[in-house]
Amino acid sequence: ETGVTQSPTHLIKTRGQQVTLRCSSQSGHNTVSWYQQALGQGPQFIFQYYREEENGRGNFPPRFSGLQFPNYSSELNVNALELDDSALYLCASSSPQSGGFRANVLTFGAGSRLTVL
Amino acid sequence: GQQVMQIPQYQHVQEGEDFTTYCNSSTTLSNIQWYKQRPGGHPVFLIQLVKSGEVKKQKRLTFQFGEAKKNSSLHITATQTTDVGTYFCAGYNAGGTSYGKLTFGQGTILTVHP
Repeated sequence: ETGVTQSPTHLIKTRGQQVTLRCSSQSGHNTVSWYQQALGQGPQFIFQYYREEENGRGNFPPRFSGLQFPNYSSELNVNALELDDSALYLCASSSPQSGGFRANVLTFGAGSRLTVL
Repeated sequence: GQQVMQIPQYQHVQEGEDFTTYCNSSTTLSNIQWYKQRPGGHPVFLIQLVKSGEVKKQKRLTFQFGEAKKNSSLHITATQTTDVGTYFCAGYNAGGTSYGKLTFGQGTILTVHP
């Protein structure tokens, strides 16, 4: 059983640029969530994808967008990068549990560390 | 919006001492999960609590969910150097506006001195 893989692991961008981060979900998982973790903080929910559609979103502006593909992998796109976007971006996959789809447990990838200069 | 607060922010202990971190939510939770993040690593799931007043144990770790389902705690007995890391609680509110959203606390950083 493969875990969640993310790429790239590290990247450096400048303000105003655009970035795409990629994630392959764990085998058997059909739901992908993205979180932003600033240094010294807890992960902050960006959005969740299920059946190739965004079905939940946190307090992030529209320049944060995503995709989910038929194989359940996912992309996070961030346009017009700002200095405050510097963070660890975590992808997490999950699968519906008996007793309620919402009670899902997250398996995180190692993250993509983005630095915006 | 929903907020989850954790205390303390930092905890330094001698190996063998006990450790406790507390988590409080501004709203009633459907469930709460605990994750551990080693330095330079990513969060790893430890446990999920669903029922009011639930207590679960994993070896030296004891997890509690409050009767009102708004608070939780993690207690580690006789800490070891392998316990080093940041412990996060994460709450889920099924009645919330953001489907699938886990709200994480800011974490408690545990250091263990041998």
